Amino acid sequence: SQTIHQWPATLVQPVGSPLSLECTVEGTSNPNLYWYRQAAGRGLQLLFYSVGIGQISSEVPQNLSASRPQDRQFILSSKKLLLSDSGFYLCAWRPSGDPYGYTFGSGTRLTVV
Amino acid sequence: SQKIEQNSEALNIQEGKTATLTCNYTNYSPAYLQWYRQDPGRGPVFLLLIRENEKEKRKERLKVTFDTTLKQSLFHITASQPADSATYLCALANHTGFQKLVFGTGTRLLVSP
Repeated sequence: SQTIHQWPATLVQPVGSPLSLECTVEGTSNPNLYWYRQAAGRGLQLLFYSVGIGQISSEVPQNLSASRPQDRQFILSSKKLLLSDSGFYLCAWRPSGDPYGYTFGSGTRLTVV
Repeated sequence: SQKIEQNSEALNIQEGKTATLTCNYTNYSPAYLQWYRQDPGRGPVFLLLIRENEKEKRKERLKVTFDTTLKQSLFHITASQPADSATYLCALANHTGFQKLVFGTGTRLLVSP
């Protein structure tokens, strides 16, 4: 069966520090991968998505970036965090092709101080 | 501008009643629409998917309707239980850009015994 792993679960980082969040999927190949952010009391905002290795689409211009170095690995990064980067970061995947429901990871609660 | 609107006020109902949640969208041409459940501090969980050419979908106690003329989807939970208390998110994928899902802000459902 397919599983999605996302870590860390919580993170407290100072302003200006770098960020690296990792997400991996097991039990499938060539998944579509997504990074969403949810601010407190807000909806899910799509940040990046990828339909294949090295293929990244950015939805929101900001100081975040994403990479997909392997088929089932998706990384969210920042060189210098801002206070406004605080939020709940969620990785998700779905099979490529026909529309399917997304499977979300357990999320990373990021607090920038 | 494009909008996906869900009632921001919590819906309070009594156990055993039918809960009906509304999702309205503006300036989208959705290929399909999905509903998710989200519990506090957790990632969303996929519930149902309905395509643009489908009027209704059912899964156990859940029913989703999709009216592309009214630009609206209704989500029903019959015989509601306290365990159904959660936030329910509507999400859709446009024909242009069907690889990505855009979410509404969700409606919180509270089912009292």
